Amino acid sequence: DGGITQSPKYLFRKEGQNVTLSCEQNLNHDAMYWYRQDPGQGLRLIYYSQIVNDFQKGDIAEGYSVSREKKESFPLTVTSAQKNPTAFYLCASRYGYSSPLHFGNGTRLTVT
Amino acid sequence: DQQVKQNSPSLSVQEGRISILNCDYTNSMFDYFLWYKKYPAEGPTFLISISSIKDKNEDGRFTVFLNKSAKHLSLHIVPSQPGDSAVYFCAARDDKIIFGKGTRLHILP
Repeated sequence: DGGITQSPKYLFRKEGQNVTLSCEQNLNHDAMYWYRQDPGQGLRLIYYSQIVNDFQKGDIAEGYSVSREKKESFPLTVTSAQKNPTAFYLCASRYGYSSPLHFGNGTRLTVT
Repeated sequence: DQQVKQNSPSLSVQEGRISILNCDYTNSMFDYFLWYKKYPAEGPTFLISISSIKDKNEDGRFTVFLNKSAKHLSLHIVPSQPGDSAVYFCAARDDKIIFGKGTRLHILP
């Protein structure tokens, strides 16, 4: 079955620690995206990548980093510089410019 | 500044009636619009889209209308069913896809 896998579903970290969220897709999609959802805020774009070895900042990139070494994988690192890291993180991909985004089931990160 | 706005945080509709969800946008460069449905603790699911060259797109119970002059689009669900209770996000594309804040739809029995 093709799809987008985000792991783990729930993640807990202490303040000051970096944490990496995994996103893998087997849809052969070129573009991948990371969004963050907070209550009442909708989905806000963190980073996106149109092709391997290239990525761009979204609207709220501060405190985050990404890599795109393989087409299938787009991991997101939440660094200690991110002021409010507790949120629901969603990874998405799409085949081409005219295609809709397909989403994974998200990772809920709690930092205490 | 929000480029995609969903001004109604929530909407309640009787089962069997029509649900109308609204969305406004500010960027005239948007050329493609999408609607997504989301249940708690899950990723959004794509519902329907419309290109800026059209004013209507229909798929089963779901119809999206686009009024470019008013920079407004709406999603109609007819007839509404209990499983339609969810949060609905409007989204628009320029070089990336930007989402509104969502509208929570409650279908009443």
